[in-house]
Amino acid sequence: AQTVTQSQPEMSVQEAETVTLSCTYDTSENNYYLFWYKQPPSRQMILVIRQEAYKQQNATENRFSVNFQKAAKSFSLKISDSQLGDTAMYFCALDETSYDKVIFGPGTSLSVIP
Amino acid sequence: GAGVSQSPRYKVAKRGQDVALRCDPISGHVSLFWYQQALGQGPEFLTYFQNEAQLDKSGLPSDRFFAERPEGSVSTLKIQRTQQEDSAVYLCASSNPTSGGAEETQYFGPGTRLLVL
Repeated sequence: AQTVTQSQPEMSVQEAETVTLSCTYDTSENNYYLFWYKQPPSRQMILVIRQEAYKQQNATENRFSVNFQKAAKSFSLKISDSQLGDTAMYFCALDETSYDKVIFGPGTSLSVIP
Repeated sequence: GAGVSQSPRYKVAKRGQDVALRCDPISGHVSLFWYQQALGQGPEFLTYFQNEAQLDKSGLPSDRFFAERPEGSVSTLKIQRTQQEDSAVYLCASSNPTSGGAEETQYFGPGTRLLVL
């Protein structure tokens, strides 16, 4: 069965510092997608970054980057130069191409401290 | 263009009442998903449509839950005889898969927060 694990329920980081959120997953598929979604207190789920499993190069989006380790089934998110607006719940998600549904992890609550 | 919209944003129901939650996906998006998100948890899959066809309803928790998308655009999630454990945020997402079966990114609506008293 597909599972997504986020072992850090809560994290905090000083403004302008760097923080890394961890995610591990389990799948028997070789082709799949991984996502990090952000959900601020307003509850609108927003895509942060996406990684295709067949691509070895780690995805980057401005201050956000991932460390994708396919063999270890690890997909961590690094946020550089943290800003107050980064305060939110962050969900790691797995989308296997042979299935229709996306499996979400339990989330990590990130607080950016001024 | 406009994103995914959901209505109502908030719904309070007395136990035993029926409720209907609406989702307007991004125009042209073929796939539509419903998720249930309990407080402090990640979203959990309920059901999936491709156009008007409901291809997967394995996540619906009971036969009190029913979803439809009759014209392949707007979708309604209906919950009959609501129970307190149905209280959650119900999220709708849409996507437009590319040919070959590769899933594209799901774009989420703001959710409907349901409280059953």
